[in-house]
Amino acid sequence: ETGVTQTPRHLVMGMTNKKSLKCEQHLGHNAMYWYKQSAKKPLELMFVYNFKEQTENNSVPSRFSPECPNSSHLFLHLHTLQPEDSALYLCASSQGPTGDTEAFFGQGTRLTVV
Amino acid sequence: AQSVTQLDSQVPVFEEAPVELRCNYSSSVSVYLFWYVQYPNQGLQLLLKYLSGSTLVKGINGFEAEFNKSQTSFHLRKPSVHISDTAEYFCAVTPPWGTDKLIFGTGTRLQVFP
Repeated sequence: ETGVTQTPRHLVMGMTNKKSLKCEQHLGHNAMYWYKQSAKKPLELMFVYNFKEQTENNSVPSRFSPECPNSSHLFLHLHTLQPEDSALYLCASSQGPTGDTEAFFGQGTRLTVV
Repeated sequence: AQSVTQLDSQVPVFEEAPVELRCNYSSSVSVYLFWYVQYPNQGLQLLLKYLSGSTLVKGINGFEAEFNKSQTSFHLRKPSVHISDTAEYFCAVTPPWGTDKLIFGTGTRLQVFP
């Protein structure tokens, strides 16, 4: 399997639930990202990991907790979410930290908070 | 800081007609520019990018874009569209040094009609 794979593709959760999103890349990249895509809004960068170290946290609420155990895997742990957190969550990876490298995206997890 | 403006949220066009999707950016420093495409229920895929050199950049699927520094624009064009080009198109910028985070526009929905 190649590319960036996200699971699950769809997730419905209650506001008191705890769930995790998973992202896996088979491209040998060193940087991984979580983006949030909401309707009518630009993609929002949430977290950046470079060589397994978190290098960016764009003021994301603590109910979202990322984890990067190795350079191939990235998780987003979710707890006590709000309905406004419903969105498409995209994972991406790239070779390194320079701006000329292409970001490869997964298909996303469609999250609905009820 | 950088920002991206995609003025057209939707562009309807008939098959085999030409199309231009507009992108303007704001930045106090030089930037790299990208166009990504998102097909329904998919992640984002890179169409083309401008890093330096020739201002006319050719990408996949017959798309091209022209970088205009004086107008701070990077419009995407295709001389003849197909039904399969129906998708959401995102313009993005990033500074070239050390920060591998893309700033995206809000996207333009291209709808191709038969």
